[in-house]
Amino acid sequence: DGGITQSPKYLFRKEGQNVTLSCEQNLNHDAMYWYRQDPGQGLRLIYYSQIVNDFQKGDIAEGYSVSREKKESFPLTVTSAQKNPTAFYLCASSTPGQGARVSGYTFGSGTRLTVV
Amino acid sequence: AQSVTQLDSQVPVFEEAPVELRCNYSSSVSVYLFWYVQYPNQGLQLLLKYLSGSTLVKGINGFEAEFNKSQTSFHLRKPSVHISDTAEYFCALGPYSGGGADGLTFGKGTHLIIQP
Repeated sequence: DGGITQSPKYLFRKEGQNVTLSCEQNLNHDAMYWYRQDPGQGLRLIYYSQIVNDFQKGDIAEGYSVSREKKESFPLTVTSAQKNPTAFYLCASSTPGQGARVSGYTFGSGTRLTVV
Repeated sequence: AQSVTQLDSQVPVFEEAPVELRCNYSSSVSVYLFWYVQYPNQGLQLLLKYLSGSTLVKGINGFEAEFNKSQTSFHLRKPSVHISDTAEYFCALGPYSGGGADGLTFGKGTHLIIQP
């Protein structure tokens, strides 16, 4: 079955460390997204990518970085510059443009990141 | 700019009672509207969507929603809820026109609590 796989499910980070969250999809979707979820704040867009080797900042990109070297993969790195990284991170994918509006997004099961 | 407002952060309901989760939106262009459900520590699943046509849309798990353009609302309803409906529900919108997969706009979510 096609879907999005996020790993790991739980991740612990020490102060000053960079960590990378994995997101892989086999849906043949061109567009991929990273969202951050905090209690009571809904989902906030971190980065998105419409095509390989291209990505755009979302609303809260500071302290995060991404790459899109393959269509299937869109890893997110939480850098030490992100001062409050503890949150639930969700990856999503879609066909871009009209496809996204018609079909919505497919979400992964999330990674919970905790700073220790 | 566009925005989504979910008026209730929590809605407690007794089992087998009806429920309505409210969603209002603001946009200068025509929109697509979605409702997603999120169970604890999981990703989001699409419940239903409004694209065009009939203003009453039916989704999975017995949910339905009505698009009201004059009131800019897209409320979610279920005539009889079950314990298994306990979850977070998100309303989201995407612009009808314009290019770019710049991310759906999400509301902050409504936690539906089903009481036995």
